[in-house]
Amino acid sequence: DVKVTQSSRYLVKRTGEKVFLECVQDMDHENMFWYRQDPGLGLRLIYFSYDVKMKEKGDIPEGYSVSREKKERFSLILESASTNQTSMYLCAGSNVGVGTTEAFFGQGTRLTVV
Amino acid sequence: GESVGLHLPTLSVQEGDNSIINCAYSNSASDYFIWYKQESGKGPQFIIDIRSNMDKRQGQRVTVLLNKTVKHLSLQIAATQPGDSAVYFCAYSGAGSYQLTFGKGTKLSVIP
Repeated sequence: DVKVTQSSRYLVKRTGEKVFLECVQDMDHENMFWYRQDPGLGLRLIYFSYDVKMKEKGDIPEGYSVSREKKERFSLILESASTNQTSMYLCAGSNVGVGTTEAFFGQGTRLTVV
Repeated sequence: GESVGLHLPTLSVQEGDNSIINCAYSNSASDYFIWYKQESGKGPQFIIDIRSNMDKRQGQRVTVLLNKTVKHLSLQIAATQPGDSAVYFCAYSGAGSYQLTFGKGTKLSVIP
């Protein structure tokens, strides 16, 4: 059973803190993604990675960075958390672009910045 | 910019009826169009996809229709069941692209 696992379901952080959201996949997929989901806005792509140490900005990268040192792990970093980064964060893995369109999502991390 | 949008944000249907969820897109270079289902408290889950050179594709109780002339995508669910209650997202992938772009979602509520 393929799995994408996010390290936390719920997080509460203070404004200005550095926040790490971790995602691990056991599918041996090349691509990994970080989305944020907000009511009425759907899923918006923050960053994605198509290979180890490779990363590309998505639609809303400001205030975020990512790290992919190993194929199975993709980390989202909030350098200095702000209240407007309160959201649901979703990680996904896939081989989209090489004959498949199926992305596998984690269960999400609901981050609250106070 | 590229976008995938939805006509209706909410849809309520009677159990047993058919559901139709619509999606408009703006990027003509899309190669694949995909539907995802997100149940409460879970991440989105793949339902079905259709390639841009097709008009129709059927799965189990679901049918996706693609009208490239008017840039419109729809998901039809036959004999809707309570377990179909969820938010449905359309998405697209460009030719040779790794990226999936999602629409804003439609909430489907099934009335028992």
